[in-house]
Amino acid sequence: AQTVTQSQPEMSVQEAETVTLSCTYDTSESDYYLFWYKQPPSRQMILVIRQEAYKQQNATENRFSVNFQKAAKSFSLKISDSQLGDAAMYFCAYRTLNAGNNRKLIWGLGTSLAVNP
Amino acid sequence: SAVISQKPSRDICQRGTSLTIQCQVDSQVTMMFWYRQQPGQSLTLIATANQGSEATYESGFVIDKFPISRPNLTFSTLTVSNMSPEDSSIYLCSAEKQQNTEAFFGQGTRLTVV
Repeated sequence: AQTVTQSQPEMSVQEAETVTLSCTYDTSESDYYLFWYKQPPSRQMILVIRQEAYKQQNATENRFSVNFQKAAKSFSLKISDSQLGDAAMYFCAYRTLNAGNNRKLIWGLGTSLAVNP
Repeated sequence: SAVISQKPSRDICQRGTSLTIQCQVDSQVTMMFWYRQQPGQSLTLIATANQGSEATYESGFVIDKFPISRPNLTFSTLTVSNMSPEDSSIYLCSAEKQQNTEAFFGQGTRLTVV
């Protein structure tokens, strides 16, 4: 069974600085999706970035980028020029590419990010 | 993308009663899911809501306690039945527009059982 591990329960960063959140996963599959979601205190879960395993190029979305190391099964999120609004819980998630009912997301435990002014 | 409206946003309920949470999507979606999340913790999948058929429940969750409906491709409900204080949690619905796309989430329902 697939698992997702976020080893940093809490992180902090100074405003305008860069921070990297780590995520590792375990799977025997070769094709899958990886996601980073952000959940601010409002509880709304928001997609930050997504990576298809078959793509070698790391996904980027404005100030957010990932370092996807498929062989190492690592999927870290880098936030550049951190802003106060980036303060939130960040979840890493995995999903198989297979069709059918077993398409549920496998979630990490989350990393709480604080942004200091 | 899809916009999901989830109601109620919060409620305080007496033990032994039931609460139905509604999730309305602004467009047709293929998959809908219901999660439970303790504050500050990760998400636990309750079930996958299947359109026109019974929901698929995860281990530890049963239909009698968490009946789910999905009458069409844009709407689903989750009922938390015969509530106890242990059911106090955040409940989230999510949806996916097409196969192998990202999941979108409702705003969540914070439930407190007293």
